[in-house]
Amino acid sequence: AQSVTQLGSHVSVSEGALVLLRCNYSSSVPPYLFWYVQYPNQGLQLLLKYTTGATLVKGINGFEAEFKKSETSFHLTKPSAHMSDAAEYFCAVSVLQGAQKLVFGQGTRLTINP
Amino acid sequence: GAGVSQSPSNKVTEKGKDVELRCDPISGHTALYWYRQSLGQGLEFLIYFQGNSAPDKSGLPSDRFSAERTGGSVSTLTIQRTQQEDSAVYLCASSPDANYGYTFGSGTRLTVV
Repeated sequence: AQSVTQLGSHVSVSEGALVLLRCNYSSSVPPYLFWYVQYPNQGLQLLLKYTTGATLVKGINGFEAEFKKSETSFHLTKPSAHMSDAAEYFCAVSVLQGAQKLVFGQGTRLTINP
Repeated sequence: GAGVSQSPSNKVTEKGKDVELRCDPISGHTALYWYRQSLGQGLEFLIYFQGNSAPDKSGLPSDRFSAERTGGSVSTLTIQRTQQEDSAVYLCASSPDANYGYTFGSGTRLTVV
């Protein structure tokens, strides 16, 4: 079965600093990987996704993530944090076979300090 | 429609009452999902509809929960005899194919008092 582990339920960085949100997955077949962002009192919005091809994927709002098969990781980064990045971030995995649904991590709440 | 629409956005109900939550997916999206997000928790899968196939109900927490999808479009999630532990945000999502990601609605915040 597929699973996702997000390391750190809370991450706090200073404005302008590097943002690094960690995600590790478990899957017996090649995964599709996603990052979603949830702003307060809103639904989830797709940030970026990896399906096939280039392992470094770029998303909205300056975020990017790199698929590392050897490390079973898909960490989310942004070079310089902005106050508007404060939100909850969810990593998710899907697989090509079987039930076509996403399995989500527990989420990481990102706080930006001025 | 342009996005996934959920109604109501907020619902307060008394313990023991039944509630219905509605989801109107993006037109043409064959897959529809319900998730539950409790305070401080991640997203808990509830149920998944794909076209005319039998739904995947493996995530429904008890037989008090049920869902239907009429005409391959609008879906209703029904919770009977609500309990306080049912309080959560119920999120609906639709997709042309799960491997391309979902589009989520804004959710229904259910509070059972």
